[in-house]
Amino acid sequence: GAGVSQSPSNKVTEKGKDVELRCDPISGHTALYWYRQSLGQGLEFLIYFQGNSAPDKSGLPSDRFSAERTGGSVSTLTIQRTQQEDSAVYLCASSLDGLAHLKNIQYFGAGTRLSVL
Amino acid sequence: KQEVTQIPAALSVPEGENLVLNCSFTDSAIYNLQWFRQDPGKGLTSLLLIQSSQREQTSGRLNASLDKSSGRSTLYIAASQPGDSATYLCAVYNQGGKLIFGQGTELSVKP
Repeated sequence: GAGVSQSPSNKVTEKGKDVELRCDPISGHTALYWYRQSLGQGLEFLIYFQGNSAPDKSGLPSDRFSAERTGGSVSTLTIQRTQQEDSAVYLCASSLDGLAHLKNIQYFGAGTRLSVL
Repeated sequence: KQEVTQIPAALSVPEGENLVLNCSFTDSAIYNLQWFRQDPGKGLTSLLLIQSSQREQTSGRLNASLDKSSGRSTLYIAASQPGDSATYLCAVYNQGGKLIFGQGTELSVKP
């Protein structure tokens, strides 16, 4: 596609429910990143995919968070048993190649705004 | 652990003024530094990327400088316009390519 696409744009859920957030990267981009933007916390890195593998999961805040990427394209971020502190904007980015830094300009989607009631 | 700080947190200026946004980082072993713009409810738009070997980059009314040794970058906006109102984020690339972001500077340009 023309840019990074995320869905849904907004998600309201009840505490304890599971949610899935989807990211469609730019076609041909091998690297994909998830970030979280919380009030008062700024933007924080969650996980990085190179192809279908995730060499860096260091930012996932707890074992309730998981992500997968299939076919080297679409990625899904899953949050199980959501808590109110999970409320944030979840941003996805993609780049041509996560390893070669000159090709590592990251392009961001518009994000998914998650509200946990 | 890399930490990125942006000063000021918020800035309000009259239209036409030149302004400087500041970014500092604690670990000078960065690969690149990137400035982004974020409008309310939107994603991030890349403004300028400075490679670690470069000192500055220019795009239109924007000029970004990088001093790796002192851990500082500045974003200079000339002749500011109301359309420049947004949050400006500075981010550094650590090894592995993930971005470490500052908290941002919220800019308001008054007509």
